[in-house]
Amino acid sequence: GESVGLHLPTLSVQEGDNSIINCAYSNSASDYFIWYKQESGKGPQFIIDIRSNMDKRQGQRVTVLLNKTVKHLSLQIAATQPGDSAVYFCAENRDDKIIFGKGTRLHILP
Amino acid sequence: DVKVTQSSRYLVKRTGEKVFLECVQDMDHENMFWYRQDPGLGLRLIYFSYDVKMKEKGDIPEGYSVSREKKERFSLILESASTNQTSMYLCASSLGRLMNTEAFFGQGTRLTVV
Repeated sequence: GESVGLHLPTLSVQEGDNSIINCAYSNSASDYFIWYKQESGKGPQFIIDIRSNMDKRQGQRVTVLLNKTVKHLSLQIAATQPGDSAVYFCAENRDDKIIFGKGTRLHILP
Repeated sequence: DVKVTQSSRYLVKRTGEKVFLECVQDMDHENMFWYRQDPGLGLRLIYFSYDVKMKEKGDIPEGYSVSREKKERFSLILESASTNQTSMYLCASSLGRLMNTEAFFGQGTRLTVV
């Protein structure tokens, strides 16, 4: 079936650098996307979302970009900090089902 | 703040036992979800419910059933637990049908079936 997926299972970034986490989706009817952060021992927490009528959305230190042409979603984290160390999931909300990708673990190098 | 509470953080059950995982949300959300999370597989949707007594299968419903008798409570039932159901189980809720809003998650229940 169609699904949301992430390109890389792990990503290592130097503290202070920007992080970019990518996600590809295959369902062109998808109209709402969410990024979640999951820290060890906790449930996923909402970071930022974007609707299909937008290309970009910014939050505090985070930006989500949506490219509908190639069905690609990315999460950019500015000035990565040790507290950003977590697993990041993209998710698709369509017809009330929230479908997750496999996740990318972000490692912060000192 | 939305609070989603799962009844147990850790659970150990024997093969063949009937297992109930309980989830309660306090924000009057219509949608509720059960996922399981396994290393390398991400979160996979087991069942979801958009109203009391309503349920829909997710991607991996086999071996599970659910119950939603009250709006705030969504139960996941393992009729006869098996070792391949050892996993982290996550409950979530979201606002309502066709609202396109994010889901809020509980802390998870780590179930071990021996």
